[in-house]
Amino acid sequence: DARVTQTPRDKVTEMGQEVTMRCQPILGHNTVFWYRQTMMQGLELLAYFRNRAPLDDSGMPKDRFSAEMPDATLATLKIQPSEPRDSAVYFCASGLSTGTGKHEQYFGPGTRLTVT
Amino acid sequence: AQTVTQSQPEMSVQEAETVTLSCTYDTSESDYYLFWYKQPPSRQMILVIRQEAYKQQNATENRFSVNFQKAAKSFSLKISDSQLGDAAMYFCAYRSPGFNYQLIWGAGTKLIIKP
Repeated sequence: DARVTQTPRDKVTEMGQEVTMRCQPILGHNTVFWYRQTMMQGLELLAYFRNRAPLDDSGMPKDRFSAEMPDATLATLKIQPSEPRDSAVYFCASGLSTGTGKHEQYFGPGTRLTVT
Repeated sequence: AQTVTQSQPEMSVQEAETVTLSCTYDTSESDYYLFWYKQPPSRQMILVIRQEAYKQQNATENRFSVNFQKAAKSFSLKISDSQLGDAAMYFCAYRSPGFNYQLIWGAGTKLIIKP
């Protein structure tokens, strides 16, 4: 049963600290998405990649957030320095783009980040 | 720009009964995809059902079915024989065709199952 995995599941950190969240997409998937979920804003797309190349990161605060795909099996989302307003659940999702237009996103369990 | 609206913040249903969750969307595109995702308390986002706009037939997955009304831009989810495990937040989402992979999300509906 292929699944997207994310680590850590929960993270509590102090303001100003660096936070790195990791995601392992489903093997064979060529698109990866990072979302942030808060009560106030709902689900927001932060960035997405296709074939490891960033296609859109316009939803991400550039001054403190960065997203990368060092290889096809790992995507990372980094916040440096973290702030209390970054507290949220961060989801990674992956999908397979075949050019037919059909493209479903499968989500990981999320990382709950709390910045104090 | 496309928008998705879920007008019911919360719904409740008796176990074994049927419930319908509403979703409307706004778009000028003729071809697109619509999804319902479920998020239980475990917070895992689970794909429930998908509908392609060019298909007139409503999608069905076991106890879950949709009523897709393209002209009315409506995409409701019907859950039959509700079970306690169906209790969750339900999100409706829209996606354009082609290589624009961004999902446009509704605000969600919290479904409560009464035993």
